[in-house]
Amino acid sequence: KNEVEQSPQNLTAQEGEFITINCSYSVGISALHWLQQHPGGGIVSLFMLSSGKKKHGRLIATINIQEKHSSLHITASHPRDSAVYICAVSTYTGNQFYFGTGTSLTVIP
Amino acid sequence: DAGITQSPRHKVTETGTPVTLRCHQTENHRYMYWYRQDPGHGLRLIHYSYGVKDTDKGEVSDGYSVSRSKTEDFLLTLESATSSQTSVYFCAIKGGQGPYEQYFGPGTRLTVT
Repeated sequence: KNEVEQSPQNLTAQEGEFITINCSYSVGISALHWLQQHPGGGIVSLFMLSSGKKKHGRLIATINIQEKHSSLHITASHPRDSAVYICAVSTYTGNQFYFGTGTSLTVIP
Repeated sequence: DAGITQSPRHKVTETGTPVTLRCHQTENHRYMYWYRQDPGHGLRLIHYSYGVKDTDKGEVSDGYSVSRSKTEDFLLTLESATSSQTSVYFCAIKGGQGPYEQYFGPGTRLTVT
């Protein structure tokens, strides 16, 4: 049983395309997190959100608490956006996390 | 960047040998976590700590033990390494009680032959 499901698992896009990655979860949460992991690299936090929408540069994250669903959008994608994007949720206490298996994004010039 | 380091960064060891991985933070954060990352699986929690000498098990704790004698250090020990423990291990820290972001260390790639 996976508490966090992401789709798609793999995504290839042309430079400049608008990209959407989806995340659904089945547990009660205090917050949802989007993380980025470059090949061979570490994991960095992009967003933490518990309602509505957040924007940082070309990245936008939204969450619908009632539907238990979140999306990560990348506008005007660039090859440097190529990475694995991981959705995670923190439990009600905020002290434990469940992670999706990640979406591998490749942006072709 | 959060001050979090892991050592060693790479290790190859033989089945049956003990292995200890170290996570060190300079942020004075209360919560520290050990995860493993394997293809086809999301990050999975091994153990976490909510204070000095306060630890709890995660979903994949069998074969692993941890210790935290100082705020800044969280050690993960494989008492007798097995090939199924070949993985990339990430340490993470979190600022306090409640929903905070996690900050991850650079990872340790462990190969058990």
